Amino acid sequence: AQSVSQHNHHVILSEAASLELGCNYSYGGTVNLFWYVQYPGQHLQLLLKYFSGDPLVKGIKGFEAEFIKSKFSFNLRKPSVQWSDTAEYFCAVNWMEGGSEKLVFGKGTKLTVNP
Amino acid sequence: DVKVTQSSRYLVKRTGEKVFLECVQDMDHENMFWYRQDPGLGLRLIYFSYDVKMKEKGDIPEGYSVSREKKERFSLILESASTNQTSMYLCAISRDPTYEQYFGPGTRLTVT
Repeated sequence: AQSVSQHNHHVILSEAASLELGCNYSYGGTVNLFWYVQYPGQHLQLLLKYFSGDPLVKGIKGFEAEFIKSKFSFNLRKPSVQWSDTAEYFCAVNWMEGGSEKLVFGKGTKLTVNP
Repeated sequence: DVKVTQSSRYLVKRTGEKVFLECVQDMDHENMFWYRQDPGLGLRLIYFSYDVKMKEKGDIPEGYSVSREKKERFSLILESASTNQTSMYLCAISRDPTYEQYFGPGTRLTVT
Protein backbone atom coordinates (compact mmCIF):
# COMPACT_ATOMS: atom_id res chain seq x y z
CA ALA A 1 0.00 0.00 0.00
CA GLN A 2 1.13 3.52 -0.67
CA SER A 3 2.44 5.28 2.42
CA VAL A 4 4.33 8.40 3.40
CA SER A 5 6.56 8.52 6.46
CA GLN A 6 7.62 11.61 8.33
CA HIS A 7 10.27 10.63 10.80
CA ASN A 8 9.89 13.33 13.39
CA HIS A 9 6.66 13.98 15.24
CA HIS A 10 7.84 17.09 17.06
CA VAL A 11 10.95 19.15 16.44
CA ILE A 12 12.01 21.96 18.76
CA LEU A 13 14.59 24.48 17.58
CA SER A 14 15.91 27.85 18.55
CA GLU A 15 15.73 30.77 16.16
CA ALA A 16 18.49 30.79 13.52
CA ALA A 17 18.98 27.03 13.76
CA SER A 18 18.91 25.00 10.56
CA LEU A 19 15.96 22.74 9.83
CA GLU A 20 15.63 19.46 8.03
CA LEU A 21 12.38 17.48 8.10
CA GLY A 22 12.44 14.00 6.66
CA CYS A 23 9.89 12.51 4.30
CA ASN A 24 10.04 9.07 2.69
CA TYR A 25 7.48 7.32 0.54
CA SER A 26 6.81 3.66 0.06
CA TYR A 27 7.80 2.83 -3.51
CA GLY A 28 9.05 4.36 -6.72
CA GLY A 29 7.62 5.20 -10.08
CA THR A 30 6.71 8.68 -11.17
CA VAL A 31 5.56 10.82 -8.29
CA ASN A 32 4.40 14.34 -7.60
CA LEU A 33 5.64 15.57 -4.23
CA PHE A 34 4.36 18.30 -1.95
CA TRP A 35 5.04 19.96 1.35
CA TYR A 36 2.18 21.72 3.08
CA VAL A 37 2.27 23.91 6.17
CA GLN A 38 -0.42 24.65 8.72
CA TYR A 39 0.25 27.65 10.95
CA PRO A 40 -1.63 27.75 14.26
CA GLY A 41 -5.29 28.50 13.63
CA GLN A 42 -4.84 28.71 9.87
CA HIS A 43 -5.70 26.48 6.95
CA LEU A 44 -3.27 24.18 5.18
CA GLN A 45 -1.28 25.92 2.50
CA LEU A 46 1.19 24.75 -0.10
CA LEU A 47 4.83 25.36 0.77
CA LEU A 48 6.41 23.84 -2.33
CA LYS A 49 5.95 21.12 -4.92
CA TYR A 50 7.98 18.90 -7.22
CA PHE A 51 6.66 17.46 -10.47
CA SER A 52 9.80 17.04 -12.60
CA GLY A 53 13.10 18.70 -13.49
CA ASP A 54 15.61 20.10 -10.99
CA PRO A 55 15.33 17.89 -7.89
CA LEU A 56 16.07 20.87 -5.64
CA VAL A 57 12.93 22.96 -5.41
CA LYS A 58 12.45 26.26 -3.69
CA GLY A 59 9.25 27.28 -2.01
CA ILE A 60 7.85 30.19 -0.11
CA LYS A 61 9.43 31.75 2.99
CA GLY A 62 12.93 30.45 2.28
CA PHE A 63 12.05 26.75 2.35
CA GLU A 64 13.50 24.26 -0.07
CA ALA A 65 13.25 20.52 -0.59
CA GLU A 66 15.36 17.94 -2.35
CA PHE A 67 13.97 14.96 -4.21
CA ILE A 68 16.29 11.94 -4.07
CA LYS A 69 14.72 9.29 -6.25
CA SER A 70 17.05 6.48 -5.17
CA LYS A 71 16.12 7.05 -1.54
CA PHE A 72 12.40 7.69 -2.13
CA SER A 73 12.86 10.87 -0.13
CA PHE A 74 11.76 14.48 -0.28
CA ASN A 75 13.25 16.26 2.71
CA LEU A 76 12.36 19.82 3.63
CA ARG A 77 15.08 22.26 4.62
CA LYS A 78 15.53 25.81 5.80
CA PRO A 79 18.96 27.23 6.66
CA SER A 80 17.77 29.53 9.45
CA VAL A 81 14.36 29.20 11.09
CA GLN A 82 12.32 32.01 12.61
CA TRP A 83 9.78 32.02 15.41
CA SER A 84 7.09 32.53 12.75
CA ASP A 85 7.95 29.11 11.25
CA THR A 86 6.26 27.44 14.22
CA ALA A 87 3.66 25.26 12.52
CA GLU A 88 2.81 21.72 11.51
CA TYR A 89 4.36 20.46 8.29
CA PHE A 90 2.91 17.73 6.10
CA CYS A 91 4.58 15.85 3.29
CA ALA A 92 2.26 14.48 0.59
CA VAL A 93 2.84 12.22 -2.40
CA ASN A 94 0.81 11.46 -5.49
CA TRP A 95 1.77 8.39 -7.49
CA MET A 96 1.28 9.00 -11.18
CA GLU A 97 1.24 5.38 -12.32
CA GLY A 98 0.10 2.21 -10.64
CA GLY A 99 -1.55 4.32 -8.05
CA SER A 100 -4.99 5.65 -7.54
CA GLU A 101 -4.04 9.29 -8.19
CA LYS A 102 -4.93 10.10 -4.61
CA LEU A 103 -2.75 12.36 -2.55
CA VAL A 104 -1.33 10.47 0.43
CA PHE A 105 -0.25 12.55 3.41
CA GLY A 106 2.30 11.84 6.08
CA LYS A 107 1.25 12.13 9.71
CA GLY A 108 2.86 15.56 10.05
CA THR A 109 5.75 17.08 11.97
CA LYS A 110 5.09 19.77 14.51
CA LEU A 111 7.83 22.39 14.56
CA THR A 112 8.28 24.68 17.54
CA VAL A 113 10.77 27.51 17.19
CA ASN A 114 11.76 29.19 20.42
CA PRO A 115 12.75 32.86 20.26
CA ASP B 1 -6.74 34.07 -4.91
CA VAL B 2 -8.21 30.62 -4.47
CA LYS B 3 -11.26 30.64 -2.25
CA VAL B 4 -12.56 27.51 -0.55
CA THR B 5 -15.16 28.15 2.11
CA GLN B 6 -16.69 25.75 4.58
CA SER B 7 -20.09 26.29 6.12
CA SER B 8 -18.99 26.38 9.77
CA ARG B 9 -15.72 26.72 11.68
CA TYR B 10 -17.09 25.01 14.78
CA LEU B 11 -20.01 22.64 15.14
CA VAL B 12 -21.36 20.71 18.11
CA LYS B 13 -23.81 17.89 17.48
CA ARG B 14 -25.36 15.10 19.49
CA THR B 15 -24.86 11.39 18.88
CA GLY B 16 -27.30 10.11 16.30
CA GLU B 17 -27.92 13.47 14.62
CA LYS B 18 -27.59 13.86 10.87
CA VAL B 19 -24.82 16.35 10.11
CA PHE B 20 -24.19 18.29 6.92
CA LEU B 21 -20.86 19.92 6.19
CA GLU B 22 -20.69 22.06 3.12
CA CYS B 23 -17.81 23.21 0.99
CA VAL B 24 -18.00 25.86 -1.71
CA GLN B 25 -15.30 26.89 -4.18
CA ASP B 26 -15.01 29.80 -6.56
CA MET B 27 -12.27 28.37 -8.80
CA ASP B 28 -14.27 26.17 -11.17
CA HIS B 29 -12.07 23.17 -10.30
CA GLU B 30 -13.41 19.74 -11.17
CA ASN B 31 -11.94 17.89 -8.22
CA MET B 32 -13.12 18.28 -4.65
CA PHE B 33 -12.07 16.31 -1.59
CA TRP B 34 -13.10 15.74 2.01
CA TYR B 35 -10.48 14.83 4.61
CA ARG B 36 -10.49 14.44 8.32
CA GLN B 37 -7.51 15.58 10.33
CA ASP B 38 -6.71 14.01 13.68
CA PRO B 39 -3.64 14.63 15.88
CA GLY B 40 -0.89 12.15 15.11
CA LEU B 41 -2.78 10.67 12.15
CA GLY B 42 -2.33 13.41 9.57
CA LEU B 43 -4.99 13.83 6.88
CA ARG B 44 -7.11 10.91 5.80
CA LEU B 45 -9.25 11.00 2.69
CA ILE B 46 -12.95 10.32 3.22
CA TYR B 47 -14.41 10.90 -0.25
CA PHE B 48 -13.60 12.80 -3.38
CA SER B 49 -15.45 13.92 -6.46
CA TYR B 50 -14.02 14.54 -9.91
CA ASP B 51 -17.20 15.88 -11.46
CA VAL B 52 -20.79 16.77 -10.70
CA LYS B 53 -22.70 13.77 -9.37
CA MET B 54 -19.51 11.68 -9.43
CA LYS B 55 -17.89 10.44 -6.25
CA GLU B 56 -15.29 7.97 -5.15
CA LYS B 57 -14.55 6.50 -1.77
CA GLY B 58 -11.36 7.45 -0.06
CA ASP B 59 -9.58 5.56 2.68
CA ILE B 60 -12.14 5.98 5.46
CA PRO B 61 -15.63 6.34 3.94
CA GLU B 62 -17.51 4.34 6.57
CA GLY B 63 -20.17 6.40 8.32
CA TYR B 64 -20.04 9.17 5.71
CA SER B 65 -21.69 10.00 2.42
CA VAL B 66 -21.28 12.90 0.00
CA SER B 67 -23.28 14.88 -2.48
CA ARG B 68 -22.21 16.98 -5.42
CA GLU B 69 -25.15 18.43 -7.30
CA LYS B 70 -23.33 21.53 -8.52
CA LYS B 71 -19.73 21.95 -9.57
CA GLU B 72 -18.91 24.51 -6.91
CA ARG B 73 -20.46 22.68 -3.97
CA PHE B 74 -19.46 19.44 -2.25
CA SER B 75 -21.28 18.26 0.85
CA LEU B 76 -20.19 15.74 3.44
CA ILE B 77 -22.98 13.99 5.31
CA LEU B 78 -22.75 12.11 8.57
CA GLU B 79 -25.91 10.02 8.52
CA SER B 80 -25.87 9.31 12.25
CA ALA B 81 -23.10 11.11 14.06
CA SER B 82 -21.02 9.19 16.55
CA THR B 83 -18.45 10.36 19.08
CA ASN B 84 -15.61 8.80 17.07
CA GLN B 85 -16.43 11.24 14.28
CA THR B 86 -15.32 14.15 16.46
CA SER B 87 -12.57 15.65 14.32
CA MET B 88 -11.42 18.48 12.10
CA TYR B 89 -12.91 18.17 8.61
CA LEU B 90 -11.08 19.74 5.70
CA CYS B 91 -12.34 20.37 2.21
CA ALA B 92 -9.89 20.71 -0.67
CA ILE B 93 -10.04 21.38 -4.40
CA SER B 94 -7.70 20.82 -7.30
CA ARG B 95 -7.66 21.37 -11.03
CA ASP B 96 -6.32 17.85 -11.55
CA PRO B 97 -6.16 15.00 -9.02
CA THR B 98 -2.37 14.86 -9.40
CA TYR B 99 -1.84 18.59 -8.89
CA GLU B 100 -1.65 20.62 -5.72
CA GLN B 101 -4.76 20.92 -3.60
CA TYR B 102 -6.15 24.08 -2.03
CA PHE B 103 -7.74 23.76 1.35
CA GLY B 104 -10.59 25.42 3.17
CA PRO B 105 -10.31 26.63 6.78
CA GLY B 106 -11.79 23.44 8.22
CA THR B 107 -14.77 22.61 10.40
CA ARG B 108 -14.07 21.39 13.91
CA LEU B 109 -16.92 18.99 14.68
CA THR B 110 -17.59 17.79 18.19
CA VAL B 111 -20.09 14.99 18.68
CA THR B 112 -21.31 14.60 22.27
